[in-house]
Amino acid sequence: RKEVEQDPGPFNVPEGATVAFNCTYSNSASQSFFWYRQDCRKEPKLLMSVYSSGNEDGRFTAQLNRASQYISLLIRDSKLSDSATYLCVVNRAGGFKTIFGAGTRLFVKA
Amino acid sequence: GAVVSQHPSRVICKSGTSVKIECRSLDFQATTMFWYRQFPKQSLMLMATSNEGSKATYEQGVEKDKFLINHASLTLSTLTVTSAHPEDSSFYICSGKGQGFSPLHFGNGTRLTVT
Repeated sequence: RKEVEQDPGPFNVPEGATVAFNCTYSNSASQSFFWYRQDCRKEPKLLMSVYSSGNEDGRFTAQLNRASQYISLLIRDSKLSDSATYLCVVNRAGGFKTIFGAGTRLFVKA
Repeated sequence: GAVVSQHPSRVICKSGTSVKIECRSLDFQATTMFWYRQFPKQSLMLMATSNEGSKATYEQGVEKDKFLINHASLTLSTLTVTSAHPEDSSFYICSGKGQGFSPLHFGNGTRLTVT
């Protein structure tokens, strides 16, 4: 079993839909969490950090559930431009160990 | 936001030659640099992790003598693909990270084609 797991998708949703992804992690010592977005043939870009209290940035909301060891990303009012692969990233060991999920592909269609 | 400059962005080389890829952190000190490879329609694969001033730690299956990593300063790391072969053709991406739990910042990648 991988330390960080994501549903690879693809998720196919219409414009305006709300879509949510989860990412589970197996190491309870994981300490910090992030969501990245990767467009085709481009490098990943930081989308948002995930805080214990949850955080929201416009149409994007990230949550952390330590008890169940998962993080989530909610996208409201999906846009065509949201089509990408979403990667979750987990840090532990004082930040010296960084583990990537394999990514979830999202396609938003008109 | 923090910036990592990676170059070249694209390189075509002949089989048997060596290619050096540079990553520079422009506005932060990258205590740790990660090097990844990504084949088409596949996820990022971590190749190695390097801490400034130390030898890189390679992932299983990655040949350290073929993929030479140098991280001599807090702002510069290089990956040299030695004696490149067509199967080494891929998208190589670096990312830098400061101390503690700071997020990763990625270079814009190098698309290597070996003919």
